[in-house]
Amino acid sequence: DVKVTQSSRYLVKRTGEKVFLECVQDMDHENMFWYRQDPGLGLRLIYFSYDVKMKEKGDIPEGYSVSREKKERFSLILESASTNQTSMYLCASSRESGTGGYEQYFGPGTRLTVT
Amino acid sequence: SQKIEQNSEALNIQEGKTATLTCNYTNYSPAYLQWYRQDPGRGPVFLLLIRENEKEKRKERLKVTFDTTLKQSLFHITASQPADSATYLCAFSGGYQKVTFGTGTKLQVIP
Repeated sequence: DVKVTQSSRYLVKRTGEKVFLECVQDMDHENMFWYRQDPGLGLRLIYFSYDVKMKEKGDIPEGYSVSREKKERFSLILESASTNQTSMYLCASSRESGTGGYEQYFGPGTRLTVT
Repeated sequence: SQKIEQNSEALNIQEGKTATLTCNYTNYSPAYLQWYRQDPGRGPVFLLLIRENEKEKRKERLKVTFDTTLKQSLFHITASQPADSATYLCAFSGGYQKVTFGTGTKLQVIP
């Protein structure tokens, strides 16, 4: 089974702090993603990466950056945390399904609270 | 831009009945539609993928249909059980890596 792990389940940070969220997958997937999920807004894509050192902006990249130095690891960085970044953060990896589509495999999520 | 819509109201059904969830999209038909299950406080879990040229896909008690004329996908759970209670997310992709998700429909199966 694919396993996607995230560094923390719950995190509390102060406004202005630099925050690192780490994600590791063990199935050699090329693609990795960071989403945030808020009530009523669903999953929104922040950044994704389709290869080591490659990254693409998603729908809401402002206030975030990412790093992918190794294939299995994808980090999300909040340069200066703000209260509106309080959310559930979900990491995912994907592979081609064999019929052309890409199934996504998610980690357990990190509930981040910025005070 | 392409939008994906799911009924935001919760669906309550009796155990043993068939649950049917709806996913509508605007504009062009996506190449692939996917369905995921999400339990509270956890990440979504992939269930099924259906291609644009497939009408129907089945996996155990699950069935997905894809109607490009109606711009709609239906997700059915037959012989529903309380353990099927969760939020179900519809998602589409155009054959590349990026996937766009709907906001999900919460299903409650009542014993």
